[in-house]
Amino acid sequence: EDQVTQSPEALRLQEGESSSLNCSYTVSGLRGLFWYRQDPGKGPEFLFTLYSAGEEKEKERLKATLTKKESFLHITAPKPEDSATYLCAVYGKRDDKIIFGKGTRLHILP
Amino acid sequence: NAGVTQTPKFQVLKTGQSMTLQCAQDMNHNSMYWYRQDPGMGLRLIYYSASEGTTDKGEVPNGYNVSRLNKREFSLRLESAAPSQTSVYFCASSQPGGGNTEAFFGQGTRLTVV
Repeated sequence: EDQVTQSPEALRLQEGESSSLNCSYTVSGLRGLFWYRQDPGKGPEFLFTLYSAGEEKEKERLKATLTKKESFLHITAPKPEDSATYLCAVYGKRDDKIIFGKGTRLHILP
Repeated sequence: NAGVTQTPKFQVLKTGQSMTLQCAQDMNHNSMYWYRQDPGMGLRLIYYSASEGTTDKGEVPNGYNVSRLNKREFSLRLESAAPSQTSVYFCASSQPGGGNTEAFFGQGTRLTVV
């Protein structure tokens, strides 16, 4: 069965303090790994899709990377507006399910 | 372009009552999903539909039924609501097989069962 585990559950950083969020996954053939951002009271907002090991994507202060067993979301010099819950999800080849991890709650202190 | 629209946004039910959550997408996507989100639990898949006319169980299907009315609409029904179904429900759609396979989400329905 496809599984996604995210760590840490919560992370508090000072503004400008770079760090990484981890997403470990098991899937029967990967069709795509997704990163989403979710603000309180809102639906998840799409950030990135990664399709194969070695792939990297960047958007402003965020960079996502992928290996055969895990993905990292690197946050460089974060700002308070980067505070949110970050969700990782996988889409496998066995069926059409998209399975999510429990998320990482990120809080950036000014 | 509305994307994914869910109704209602908020609902309070009494235990044993029934209701249907509505979802519609205007992106011509084949796949649609229903998730529930509880504190500390992330998004858990209830049911999904890979195409019009097909539905399949997800991780937590008990107590729910779904209908894929047409390509645009995918509804979630609670036949006899229970307090354990208090949650935020999200509908999503995607287009597998294309260049972009990510799911797009609605704004959610906050359901309280008392």
